[in-house]
Amino acid sequence: EDKVVQSPLSLVVHEGDTVTLNCSYEVTNFRSLLWYKQEKKAPTFLFMLTSSGIEKKSGRLSSILDKKELFSILNITATQTGDSAIYLCASPRGGANNLFFGTGTRLTVIP
Amino acid sequence: GAGVSQSPSNKVTEKGKDVELRCDPISGHTALYWYRQRLGQGLEFLIYFQGNSAPDKSGLPSDRFSAERTGESVSTLTIQRTQQEDSAVYLCASSPGRQNTEAFFGQGTRLTVV
Repeated sequence: EDKVVQSPLSLVVHEGDTVTLNCSYEVTNFRSLLWYKQEKKAPTFLFMLTSSGIEKKSGRLSSILDKKELFSILNITATQTGDSAIYLCASPRGGANNLFFGTGTRLTVIP
Repeated sequence: GAGVSQSPSNKVTEKGKDVELRCDPISGHTALYWYRQRLGQGLEFLIYFQGNSAPDKSGLPSDRFSAERTGESVSTLTIQRTQQEDSAVYLCASSPGRQNTEAFFGQGTRLTVV
């Protein structure tokens, strides 16, 4: 059975800290892994990873994929209160584009 | 439209009533997804439409749930005889349908069954 597992489930840090969020997966016919940020209702897209070892970066956020060990990490450096959100990872299930999500990591950044 | 549009944004209904939730995908997007998110939980897959292919209904939790999509346009998710455990945010997303493309989400419909 396909699965996407995120850890930790929740995390509380102080502004300025660096955090690493984890996503492990077991997906048949793996093609890509996606990260989303959910602040209120609508998740917003962060990164799509398809190749091992190639870091994707956007400002203070970066992500990398390890297709041998079947996991991805999302790093956030110099965290700000605006980074408080649920971070979701997802992968297309099987041979289709049907996105299957993990349960998410709830990040809280306190001043 | 510019983004995925869902309506209504909030819906309160009495237990036992039927509800219809609407999703307008981004124009040209062939793939459309429905997810359910209960309070404090992750996104639970419900149904996936891709072009004219038969939809993937494997996530629908019971026969009270159904969804339709006309071509590559609007989709409606119908919940019959609503129960209190149906209370959740229902999120719709669309994507171009090609491999390795991200999905774009609407703002969701918050359903409360009282």
